[in-house]
Amino acid sequence: AQKITQTQPGMFVQEKEAVTLDCTYDTSDQSYGLFWYKQPSSGEMIFLIYQGSYDEQNATEGRYSLNFQKARKSANLVISASQLGDSAMYFCAMRSYNNNDMRFGAGTRLTVKP
Amino acid sequence: GAVVSQHPSRVICKSGTSVKIECRSLDFQATTMFWYRQFPKKSLMLMATSNEGSKATYEQGVEKDKFLINHASLTLSTLTVTSAHPEDSSFYICSANTYEGQYFGPGTRLTVT
Repeated sequence: AQKITQTQPGMFVQEKEAVTLDCTYDTSDQSYGLFWYKQPSSGEMIFLIYQGSYDEQNATEGRYSLNFQKARKSANLVISASQLGDSAMYFCAMRSYNNNDMRFGAGTRLTVKP
Repeated sequence: GAVVSQHPSRVICKSGTSVKIECRSLDFQATTMFWYRQFPKKSLMLMATSNEGSKATYEQGVEKDKFLINHASLTLSTLTVTSAHPEDSSFYICSANTYEGQYFGPGTRLTVT
């Protein structure tokens, strides 16, 4: 069974600073994908970044980067130069390519302070 | 990216009635769609996997007779909450995969009075 763990229920960061949101996972599958989504108060799920289990390079998308440490089974999200609009819930998720469904961590609420 | 729509975005119904939520993939075909449920300030919990042309696969603890799923075409899956009760009030989100990634609908907020 897959398990995704986000240990930070809430995080605060000063505007323009960087913040790291933690995510660890547990799976026996060899082929899987790791995702981060942002969910603002409107409820929509906004895709941020993806890392494949076989990707050797850490994924980056603009201000988002994923610190992938496969041996530790961690996939932390780093947001650089935080903006007020980054305040939202952030979910780490994993999809196994055996059964193709996606499971989510408990989420981290990020608040960016001016 | 691919677009997934849901209808309605909000619905209020009385206890004992049934509510149907539609999930459509607008610019791609989806043989599989996923239905999630999210309680306030909680994570998304997978309810079931909807398979085009065959029965849905439900997660443990999800009542298949209460949450009826129909995946009638490659672009449409429906979730019907039957005999709704106040504890069914929640945010329901559907999702579909493409080779590029997984895309989510905007969600349906169900309130049962």
